[in-house]
Amino acid sequence: AQSVTQLGSHVSVSEGALVLLRCNYSSSVPPYLFWYVQYPNQGLQLLLKYTSAATLVKGINGFEAEFKKSETSFHLTKPSAHMSDAAEYFCAVTRGASGTYKYIFGTGTRLKVLA
Amino acid sequence: DVKVTQSSRYLVKRTGEKVFLECVQDMDHENMFWYRQDPGLGLRLIYFSYDVKMKEKGDIPEGYSVSREKKERFSLILESASTNQTSMYLCASSSKRASSYNEQFFGPGTRLTVL
Repeated sequence: AQSVTQLGSHVSVSEGALVLLRCNYSSSVPPYLFWYVQYPNQGLQLLLKYTSAATLVKGINGFEAEFKKSETSFHLTKPSAHMSDAAEYFCAVTRGASGTYKYIFGTGTRLKVLA
Repeated sequence: DVKVTQSSRYLVKRTGEKVFLECVQDMDHENMFWYRQDPGLGLRLIYFSYDVKMKEKGDIPEGYSVSREKKERFSLILESASTNQTSMYLCASSSKRASSYNEQFFGPGTRLTVL
């Protein structure tokens, strides 16, 4: 069965510091992996996705994530945090094979950026 | 751009009322989803529809029903609203095409309060 674990429900970083949000997954088949961002009182917006084409995936707003099969991880990083990055971030996994289109979501990490 | 719209951003209802939440997508997507989002629990799938008039229960279907009479529209129904259904409700859609990699597109959400 598939699962997603996001370590740390709240993360605080200083403006300009490295952002690292952790996501570990479990999947019996090659997965597709996604990071979404949610700003207050809004829906989810796709940041980036892993679809097996490349292990390092670049997304919007300077974010990137690296797929590490040996560690079953897909951590999200950004070299320099900006105040506008304050939001909640969700990792999700879905099966790469056809037959299901449903996501398994992590419980989310709320990022706080300190001035 | 894919657009997923939801009928209301904020809704206040009384216990026992019948509540309809409407979702419309404009990208001819086959799949549509209803999620519920609560703090610390992430997003939980209520119902999923993979075609017109077709539906599948998600993880927490109790107290909810859905309707999909047209491809672009997916309705969530609370037959008799209760206070424990106070939550943020998110609608999403996705394509069945392999090239979509199961990416889901989200609406802005409806924050429902049941008094």
